[in-house]
Formats: sequence, structure tokens, C-alpha cells
Amino acid sequence: EVQLVESGGGLVQPGGSLRVSCEVSGFTFSSYWMSWVRQAPGKGLEWVANIKQDGSEKHYVDSVKGRFTISRDNAKNSLYLQMNSLRAEDTAVYYCARDPRYCTGGVCYTLFDYWGQGTLVTVSS
Amino acid sequence: AIQMTQSPSSLSASVGDRVTITCRASQGIRNDLGWYQQKPGKAPKFLIYVASSLQSGVPSRFSGSGSGTDFTLTISSLQPEDFATYYCLQDYNYPLTFGQGTKLEIK
Repeated sequence: EVQLVESGGGLVQPGGSLRVSCEVSGFTFSSYWMSWVRQAPGKGLEWVANIKQDGSEKHYVDSVKGRFTISRDNAKNSLYLQMNSLRAEDTAVYYCARDPRYCTGGVCYTLFDYWGQGTLVTVSS
Repeated sequence: AIQMTQSPSSLSASVGDRVTITCRASQGIRNDLGWYQQKPGKAPKFLIYVASSLQSGVPSRFSGSGSGTDFTLTISSLQPEDFATYYCLQDYNYPLTFGQGTKLEIK
């Protein structure tokens, strides 16, 4: 059974740092792109970052560039999001999601077929 | 960044109704679009990829169509478990962007 379990959320002051983790099981972690998606309270979904299978390629939404770092440890079946210089607007539930990269006709498509349950990050003084 | 605009933002319908949700991209995105369903307090569920391909296990009453800038998600006959919020997601380029969501409520 595919499982993704986030952890590490909590209350942090503005300007502070936090690292959230996603531990996976039930599939070969090193074969998949992975993403972080967040959802502010009562708001919609926002894609945050993704990382290639071997960690050699990463992408970020502009609002977190230079502050957040996505990484992975394939030996530990774990995905991470290091969040620095946190702001109130970073308050959200953070989900990790698996991306199997459906490829056809020379084009590869991102899709999120499995998600974790989310971990809440609250940035407040 | 490509903006994805869904309409309507909310929709009231009855069990058995046929409903259509629209997603419009601010520029052409070929067919690089997926649809997700989210229920309160739960993680999103993946429904459709490449605009019209149904994910395995998703009921056939769900269908997607469109290409370029205009896309639709159709539920042919609403079931009680379909009342949720629906999001489109473009994966044509970075940053990936979601629509603002369409909340489907029981009439």
C-alpha cells in the first residue's frame, strides 16, 4: 500500500525556520518525482516545489525561491522541505505528493497520484 | 506564471444532475491539465490527467475535455460522494498553477 506521511509542522515565529518531512512506503521512492503542495486555511491549493528522482533538478514557485529548499534522501525514503525566513503568508497545510510523470509521444506530464495527509505550519508571533 | 481561472466558483446541484466545471488558462497549455477533487479536511484526490484521461479507479461518470486554453470537467450524474471542491492544475510550465477551485454543493 502506498503511503506518504508528513511530519514536522508546528508553530514558528515570523522570520524563523522549520523543516517538514515526508516519509513514504509502498513504492520505490527513488523512481518518482516528488512535490510539495500547500493550502492556506480556507484557501485553494498552491504548488510549492518539486524535485527529480535523483535530486538533480528542482523547481519552486516564485514566492518561496531563496527561502525554501526541497531535498530528498532516497536511502531513507524521505522528502524534505526546509523553510527559512518564514512569513505569515506561509501558514498552510503542507502536502507531499507523488508524481509518476506520465510520458507519451515525447511529452511528459506531471500528475499527483498519491498525497500525504498534510502537516500544518503556522507562522505567527 | 500561467493563471488558471475556474468557473463557477461555487455550484449547487442535486443528485443525478449533470454538471460541468470550466477551467481557462491565461495562455495555451496544449492538453497539459489535470483535475483533482478535495473533500473538507482531506488531501486532494487525483481524477483526470492530460485533460481527458481518467485515472484508474475513478468512476466513469467523470470526464474531461479541452485543449489549448479551455477545459471542462463533467460529472454525468452526480452522486452524494461527489459533493466536494474541484481544482484544475496546469503542468505546461513552471510554476505549476492550480485554479482557485469550484465548490460543488448539494441543492
